[in-house]
Amino acid sequence: EAQVTQNPRYLITVTGKKLTVTCSQNMNHEYMSWYRQDPGLGLRQIYYSMNVEVTDKGDVPEGYKVSRKEKRNFPLILESPSPNQTSLYFCASKERDYGYTFGSGTRLTVV
Amino acid sequence: KQEVTQIPAALSVPEGENLVLNCSFTDSAIYNLQWFRQDPGKGLTSLLLIQSSQREQTSGRLNASLDKSSGRSTLYIAASQPGDSATYLCAVDPVLNNDMRFGAGTRLTVKP
Repeated sequence: EAQVTQNPRYLITVTGKKLTVTCSQNMNHEYMSWYRQDPGLGLRQIYYSMNVEVTDKGDVPEGYKVSRKEKRNFPLILESPSPNQTSLYFCASKERDYGYTFGSGTRLTVV
Repeated sequence: KQEVTQIPAALSVPEGENLVLNCSFTDSAIYNLQWFRQDPGKGLTSLLLIQSSQREQTSGRLNASLDKSSGRSTLYIAASQPGDSATYLCAVDPVLNNDMRFGAGTRLTVKP
């Protein structure tokens, strides 16, 4: 089944403790992206990647890092999480003629 | 920069009604437009994708239309059911880059 898999689904962590949210797709898509979704603010893009070793900032990149060492994986790294990064995070991949496929989301709480 | 607007922000209808959700965008140079459904706290499920060369797409009770020149798309839901209750988002993929832009969504409630 074609899908984007994110892990974990839920995460509670403390301020300053580094964490990684993994994202993997099995569709051989070149383009991958991370979004955060907050009430009243909608979906905002954090980072995106056009291909392996090619990443770029989205609208809200501060406090986040990404890497794209292989086509299928696009992890999101929070080096020093803060409470304002509490949010619902989505990874997505895209084949341009077929649109976006989203992961199930990761609900992150930073206390 | 492309801006995507969805009206109304929320809609409540009785079961069985036909309804229309609206999406407008400011730049007509789009590659495609995609409609999604999102249940509370869940991921986005793709409903319909309309290529820029197409005028409409249909899937079951759903029909999406696209008028590029006027910067509008509509999602028509026929014979609504309580299970259709969700937030519906539209997203526009511009021609010149991969910066897909999302609307804020329409929260639909279908009452039994």
